[in-house]
Amino acid sequence: RKEVEQDPGPFNVPEGATVAFNCTYSNSASQSFFWYRQDCRKEPKLLMSVYSSGNEDGRFTAQLNRASQYISLLIRDSKLSDSATYLCVVTFGGFKTIFGAGTRLFVKA
Amino acid sequence: DTEVTQTPKHLVMGMTNKKSLKCEQHMGHRAMYWYKQKAKKPPELMFVYSYEKLSINESVPSRFSPECPNSSLLNLHLHALQPEDSALYLCASSQGTGRVGETQYFGPGTRLLVL
Repeated sequence: RKEVEQDPGPFNVPEGATVAFNCTYSNSASQSFFWYRQDCRKEPKLLMSVYSSGNEDGRFTAQLNRASQYISLLIRDSKLSDSATYLCVVTFGGFKTIFGAGTRLFVKA
Repeated sequence: DTEVTQTPKHLVMGMTNKKSLKCEQHMGHRAMYWYKQKAKKPPELMFVYSYEKLSINESVPSRFSPECPNSSLLNLHLHALQPEDSALYLCASSQGTGRVGETQYFGPGTRLLVL
């Protein structure tokens, strides 16, 4: 079993749609959780950190369920510019970092 | 300023060459990371330096040799690489506390081709 698993994708959605990504992690000692976005041939960029209380940034909402070892990302009112690969990232032991395989999102007009 | 810079942007090298990748940040971060990313795959952690000391080596072959000369600089020395080492090499930095929620900032990467 992979340490961090994500929906395989790709997700093809029309503009304005709501799309949800899921991620599970296997190490219960995991301490920090993030969603990064990566555009083609670019570096990963932080989208948002994920907390147990949930957090929202505009159209993006992230949630962490420690009991189920599950992280989610919800994107509302999708824009063409949201097309990218979304990477679930987990850290533990201070600096050890594991990336999920990523989920590709295509938003179409 | 949340900028991490990497040089060169592209590098082509033969299997007998020695080359170095460079990474720099001026955010006062005390943790720096090297990742390798193959096409259509996620980044994989290679090394972590914390306060200029090697903290994590993810069983990386010795043909990759990291160096952290000071808190702002991180190098990756390459020697006798194989074609399968061709990849995007990403540098990242973070504050260095190791606390919950510590965010990593990535440089644009060096795209390496080994012939």
